[in-house]
Amino acid sequence: NAGVTQTPKFRVLKTGQSMTLLCAQDMNHEYMYWYRQDPGMGLRLIHYSVGEGTTAKGEVPDGYNVSRLKKQNFLLGLESAAPSQTSVYFCASSYSNRAHYGYTFGSGTRLTVV
Amino acid sequence: GENVEQHPSTLSVQEGDSAVIKCTYSDSASNYFPWYKQELGKRPQLIIDIRSNVGEKKDQRIAVTLNKTAKHFSLHITETQPEDSAVYFCAARGGYSTLTFGKGTMLLVSP
Repeated sequence: NAGVTQTPKFRVLKTGQSMTLLCAQDMNHEYMYWYRQDPGMGLRLIHYSVGEGTTAKGEVPDGYNVSRLKKQNFLLGLESAAPSQTSVYFCASSYSNRAHYGYTFGSGTRLTVV
Repeated sequence: GENVEQHPSTLSVQEGDSAVIKCTYSDSASNYFPWYKQELGKRPQLIIDIRSNVGEKKDQRIAVTLNKTAKHFSLHITETQPEDSAVYFCAARGGYSTLTFGKGTMLLVSP
């Protein structure tokens, strides 16, 4: 039982390059989220999904796209990376059941855009 | 949308002292308030949470209090130890269990 797995763990991109971050969970969670963490800013929600085939915008969605083709996977894409997207990205998942609100976080992806 | 304010941004205490971190939230519909601890280079880990129908919750040296009327909640750590040193985040739950996080408090516990 791996929980939430993020790949890659580290990546350096040049401005204008594209990449996809993968989040996979094996807990049968309905909800999945992508956050970015910047120094002094806490964690800010980029996009989230409430089920297979659904996505929604969070607080800071510009410059990112997401897809959830399978329940266990949530992909975050950067089409044309910018230095402002240098950050640590965390994926999280949770049940939809009101009895279980807690998040399970992945280990994070440290992305540097030069 | 929800706005969560967290204070202080840094907190230094001596081992054995108590530490208190405070948060306020803006959306009166929020009904779940977790606290996360994040060590350097690691993922956030849930340490305690409270729901809006409860005023206080304890787990050994950690407690959380909630004042729904004032829309604020606090984390209390007693008998602090050096291993409590980390960044602590409060959060408030919105629609579809989305969490809005505070900006974090760096807690330093000196031996």
